[in-house]
Amino acid sequence: QVQLQESGPGLVKPSETLSLTCTVSGGSTSSYYWSWIRQPPGKGLEWIGYIYYTGSTNYNPSLKSRLTISLDTSRNQFYLKLTSVTAADTAVYYCARRSIIGWVDPWGQGTLVTVSS
Amino acid sequence: EIVLTQSPGTLSLSPGERATLSCRASQSVSSDYLVWYQQKPGQAPRLLIYGASSRATGIPDRFSGSGSGTDFTLIISRLEPEDFAVYYCQQNGRTFGPGTKVDI
Repeated sequence: QVQLQESGPGLVKPSETLSLTCTVSGGSTSSYYWSWIRQPPGKGLEWIGYIYYTGSTNYNPSLKSRLTISLDTSRNQFYLKLTSVTAADTAVYYCARRSIIGWVDPWGQGTLVTVSS
Repeated sequence: EIVLTQSPGTLSLSPGERATLSCRASQSVSSDYLVWYQQKPGQAPRLLIYGASSRATGIPDRFSGSGSGTDFTLIISRLEPEDFAVYYCQQNGRTFGPGTKVDI
């Protein structure tokens, strides 16, 4: 079965770039969409964006100017880069697989990223 | 961007009772693209319902979804202790509602 695992720094300084990797096992990234979703502590879920296996992307308009999602099918990994971070970007970041009709499953376990000096 | 509103914010019920959760969209959403998730503390969300009314694999039949257009509903027919959690709706793999907490 498909499993996803996020990795990356748990602490990022304000104004710097947050970079995360999602490694997919048990399946191929050469199909489906691949999503990033975040959840600030104690708050709800926020869709960040997703990338199709062809490389086309769809981003949350509120993050679009700072966001890049990319995919390396040879490594079965996809990536998140969020520039110019502030404390408001502190959250648990989840990677997940998105189907063509929008359901998201499975999810990674999530990784907490804290923005602080 | 379509905005999803969920009500109530919190639903206080007892095991065995029926829970009715609402998700309303700011504009019409295709039923094919309306999804419900359950999230427990410290865990990733779990897919419950997709296509507004289809249960995901392994989801018990006490969970049911319905609706169309801008109004969608998740019903838990008889609450089990493990059902006390936060429930989110999502449209087209994009925006989420703010969630409904079902607690005792």
